[in-house]
Amino acid sequence: DTAVSQTPKYLVTQMGNDKSIKCEQNLGHDTMYWYKQDSKKFLKIMFSYNNKELIINETVPNRFSPKSPDKAHLNLHINSLELGDSAVYFCASSQGSKAFFGQGTRLTVV
Amino acid sequence: DQQVKQNSPSLSVQEGRISILNCDYTNSMFDYFLWYKKYPAEGPTFLISISSIKDKNEDGRFTVFLNKSAKHLSLHIVPSQPGDSAVYFCAAITTSGTYKYIFGTGTRLKVLA
Repeated sequence: DTAVSQTPKYLVTQMGNDKSIKCEQNLGHDTMYWYKQDSKKFLKIMFSYNNKELIINETVPNRFSPKSPDKAHLNLHINSLELGDSAVYFCASSQGSKAFFGQGTRLTVV
Repeated sequence: DQQVKQNSPSLSVQEGRISILNCDYTNSMFDYFLWYKKYPAEGPTFLISISSIKDKNEDGRFTVFLNKSAKHLSLHIVPSQPGDSAVYFCAAITTSGTYKYIFGTGTRLKVLA
């Protein structure tokens, strides 16, 4: 009964490929996020959705396209993957002041 | 521009002693602060939080102190246990408008048995 689950946990792919990471939350939260943790371990917000609507887009390249089919899901699609996209991507959800995070997806672009 | 800073990348403490993790922020509009704990290969897990209208919040072995005038908060863990060894992230949000969590860079705590 994982609260925020994301798949896959690991993803290794070649430059130029397109890939998706899925996220689902069963907490009934209205707001979902994607965060990126880079090689320096900074946790930076990428996107935030509230009730399926985009509310935060932190100047992320438009190769990254979030999709929220319903408020329990926020998927991240990445086109034309680059070496610099290698990072750990965390999905999160919140209602009120606390955010709950998924286990992370380690993306390695080779 | 780092709005939330954790200036100590690592900290080692003997088991049973107090661990003090520090966090500084620059944005006076933040009205809620949180601490998250992260083990390797796992997502951050919520630990404790404090509203900006308070100066202390306690939950078991964990206490967070907030000094608004200094724009500083700290997490005290006492007594420290080996299982507390993890990376601790400080986060801040403004609860008006969008809830955008801004994270510090983390402090790796090692509790020595």
